[in-house]
Amino acid sequence: NAGVTQTPKFQVLKTGQSMTLQCAQDMNHEYMSWYRQDPGMGLRLIHYSVGAGITDQGEVPNGYNVSRSTTEDFPLRLLSAAPSQTSVYFCASTGSTDTQYFGPGTRLTVL
Amino acid sequence: AQSVTQLDSQVPVFEEAPVELRCNYSSSVSVYLFWYVQYPNQGLQLLLKYLSGSTLVKGINGFEAEFNKSQTSFHLRKPSVHISDTAEYFCAVGEGGGNKLTFGTGTQLKVEL
Repeated sequence: NAGVTQTPKFQVLKTGQSMTLQCAQDMNHEYMSWYRQDPGMGLRLIHYSVGAGITDQGEVPNGYNVSRSTTEDFPLRLLSAAPSQTSVYFCASTGSTDTQYFGPGTRLTVL
Repeated sequence: AQSVTQLDSQVPVFEEAPVELRCNYSSSVSVYLFWYVQYPNQGLQLLLKYLSGSTLVKGINGFEAEFNKSQTSFHLRKPSVHISDTAEYFCAVGEGGGNKLTFGTGTQLKVEL
């Protein structure tokens, strides 16, 4: 049981490039979410999904896309990276006990 | 709308001393409250949660928190801290459960010898 896994752990992009941050969970959780963590700002919700085929926007969705084709996977796409998207990104899934399980994070730098 | 305020960005404390990390919230729906801990270069993990029932909640690593509805607070306490408790602590409020969380800005707890 690996829990929530994220790849890559580190990534450097140039402004305008696109990329996908991968997230997978093996706990059969319906609810998954993406957060970004910036110094002094805590974690802010980007997008979330309540099940396969269903996604919705969180607090800071601009510049990001998501899809949920399976229960296990919830990738986050940056369409055209900007320096303001430099951050640490966390994926999480929530089980029936209302506990969110977080992945180890992806540290993204946009130059 | 819901929000969380963590008034202290940093809390230094000596080892074996007690500590309280403060958290105040606002929410227009049923209150679900959480404390998460983040060790350096790691993801967050749950310390404790309040969903309903007893207002005093006990969590892992000797931490506890008390839900105070009249003061809209959910302060985290530990009677005697250890060096290994050095980490960042986040308070969060959930909209109707543990799914859609709003986090506070975090409190860095630094335990010194």
